[in-house]
Amino acid sequence: EAGVAQSPRYKIIEKRQSVAFWCNPISGHATLYWYQQILGQGPKLLIQFQNNGVVDDSQLPKDRFSAERLKGVDSTLKIQPAKLEDSAVYLCASSLWGSFSPLHFGNGTRLTVT
Amino acid sequence: DQQVKQNSPSLSVQEGRISILNCDYTNSMFDYFLWYKKYPAEGPTFLISISSIKDKNEDGRFTVFLNKSAKHLSLHIVPSQPGDSAVYFCAASAHLSGGSQGNLIFGKGTKLSVKP
Repeated sequence: EAGVAQSPRYKIIEKRQSVAFWCNPISGHATLYWYQQILGQGPKLLIQFQNNGVVDDSQLPKDRFSAERLKGVDSTLKIQPAKLEDSAVYLCASSLWGSFSPLHFGNGTRLTVT
Repeated sequence: DQQVKQNSPSLSVQEGRISILNCDYTNSMFDYFLWYKKYPAEGPTFLISISSIKDKNEDGRFTVFLNKSAKHLSLHIVPSQPGDSAVYFCAASAHLSGGSQGNLIFGKGTKLSVKP
């Protein structure tokens, strides 16, 4: 089966600019996650979707981050405006149904904010 | 406060020997534990999991041990191979009221180097 697809792989922007990341999960996976991984840390959940509904966005900085999952398939994560501390790898993951099933991760987008 | 701790940032092992990666947790509500493996420039890949009703789960060269009383789990790789060199993340989740499973909480990872 095809894995989780993410684009772009790398992005460099200046602070206060905006950026968007795209994710296409594994076909048939109902649950989609966005994680932020700062260098030297483990992945931290930003938002979880079940189909096209938000299950958990408690750790999403909503003043600058937004995410959507139209039609319950692809998803986009946006940062506007970006801060220096947003420099990280943004990982998208999907699972068949919630955390009962293992998460499958994409290769991530490495964001550098200068 | 870190709920999942991997206190060893790195581990170096000789090929053919055993690798033991450790993980401690503080939340007694965690009941499902996983190990993920990550190569550079790739996303983490699922390796092995264990439910709190078991104390051991084995899959080929990989075995995970769970000690609930000590809130400790470990991943054993026997025999270690150079291709096992990667960062290993421990993750845990808790069963929530209503029947759902909570989100995964990850440790900081341990970088394993297996030398030929």
